[in-house]
Amino acid sequence: EAGVTQFPSHSVIEKGQTVTLRCDPISGHDNLYWYRRVMGKEIKFLLHFVKESKQDESGMPNNRFLAERTGGTYSTLKVQPAELEDSGVYFCASSQERSGTDTQYFGPGTRLTVL
Amino acid sequence: RKEVEQDPGPFNVPEGATVAFNCTYSNSASQSFFWYRQDCRKEPKLLMSVYSSGNEDGRFTAQLNRASQYISLLIRDSKLSDSATYLCVVNPSWAGSYQLTFGKGTKLSVIP
Repeated sequence: EAGVTQFPSHSVIEKGQTVTLRCDPISGHDNLYWYRRVMGKEIKFLLHFVKESKQDESGMPNNRFLAERTGGTYSTLKVQPAELEDSGVYFCASSQERSGTDTQYFGPGTRLTVL
Repeated sequence: RKEVEQDPGPFNVPEGATVAFNCTYSNSASQSFFWYRQDCRKEPKLLMSVYSSGNEDGRFTAQLNRASQYISLLIRDSKLSDSATYLCVVNPSWAGSYQLTFGKGTKLSVIP
């Protein structure tokens, strides 16, 4: 069974540009999460989708970040305009059950560098 | 105070050694607890869930002390392949949120 996939694996952009990250969850997983790790810090939650609906977006840092999950399958995370402090690794995770104990499976991440 | 605190290490131990990691969490209402493992430049992977009664999976033993808000992971008979960063993870489980809260991780290097 394929795991969580993310695209691109790396992205280098200049400050002020736009970048869109994509996540494909494990097939059949209704729950999709975005996290990010900025250098020197712990991994932090951004938001949680249940199918196409945003269940919890309390971790989104500001309105430059827009996440979508049209059709309840893959998700995109757009950063517009990107700032230097947005650099980091963006992880996507998915889980099958809507439960605090269910395993979240992580993708390999997208390493974003904003110059 | 950070939500999840861990000793960052690094812990450098010889093969065969026993090593213990500790973690504290600040939210007393937290419901679910995990240890994840992260290899260099890879994604986090679930190592084991942590239950109040303590649980064991082969060489790995996890303990939870709710009164002290303390979680531990014990690795016995360390292998070279155990070298990784170990992340203490808590699910606050409030109001239907299933977000995971991560510690910064403890780096382990097992030396031949």
